[in-house]
Amino acid sequence: QSALTQPPSASGSLGQAVTIPCTGASVDVGGYSSVSWYQLHPGKAPRLLLYEATKRPSGVPARFSGSKSGTTASLTVSGLQAEDEAVYYCSSYTGSTNWVFGGGTSLTVL
Amino acid sequence: EVQLVESGGGLVQPGGSLRLSCEASGFTFSDYWMHWVRQTPGGGLVWVSLISNDGTSITYPESVKGRFTISRDNAKDTLYLHMNSLRDEDTGVYYCARHLAYSFDYWGQGALVTVSS
Repeated sequence: QSALTQPPSASGSLGQAVTIPCTGASVDVGGYSSVSWYQLHPGKAPRLLLYEATKRPSGVPARFSGSKSGTTASLTVSGLQAEDEAVYYCSSYTGSTNWVFGGGTSLTVL
Repeated sequence: EVQLVESGGGLVQPGGSLRLSCEASGFTFSDYWMHWVRQTPGGGLVWVSLISNDGTSITYPESVKGRFTISRDNAKDTLYLHMNSLRDEDTGVYYCARHLAYSFDYWGQGALVTVSS
């Protein structure tokens, strides 16, 4: 059982937008701005999409955006493309030098 | 281009030991804190350990404390994870990852560790 809760699956049509929530608690998501999101394609290295809830590293398209309210963070993928089909994980720093992850959301592009 | 390449994975019996390595290139390795993260067979991600850029600060979750040791050789641009007293639940793909602002900004492709009799 993961510390952060994500829906196991999500889907959206090409060109549409989809939002993936990540629910935690006051000791993790609610207590820190250090929420990050990752994209995993099978056989490839995981890719950082967002850090500090809303910041995009260089090279990540603006189609990927994030938000956080209370104990829930969200990743929105706009203008869905076929290559966005992957598993997405959220993560949060929890203090005391510890990190937790969500269980992952498998995104299907229809 | 930042690259992290893990090696040393394999099949080991419960109670056994294994050492993973992660060779870094494309950045100044000695400037960065580094992590190990495991992906379980069920797909979940688990943080395993963190080491400071100079190796003087190290932390682990309770699940591996006393069994795993993270270390680094900045002269060789290499990160290590020594794993002892391995358990079935330690099975998974182990990734090394670079630390950035309480996140993991670059990851390797992972090394598979299977603990089974």
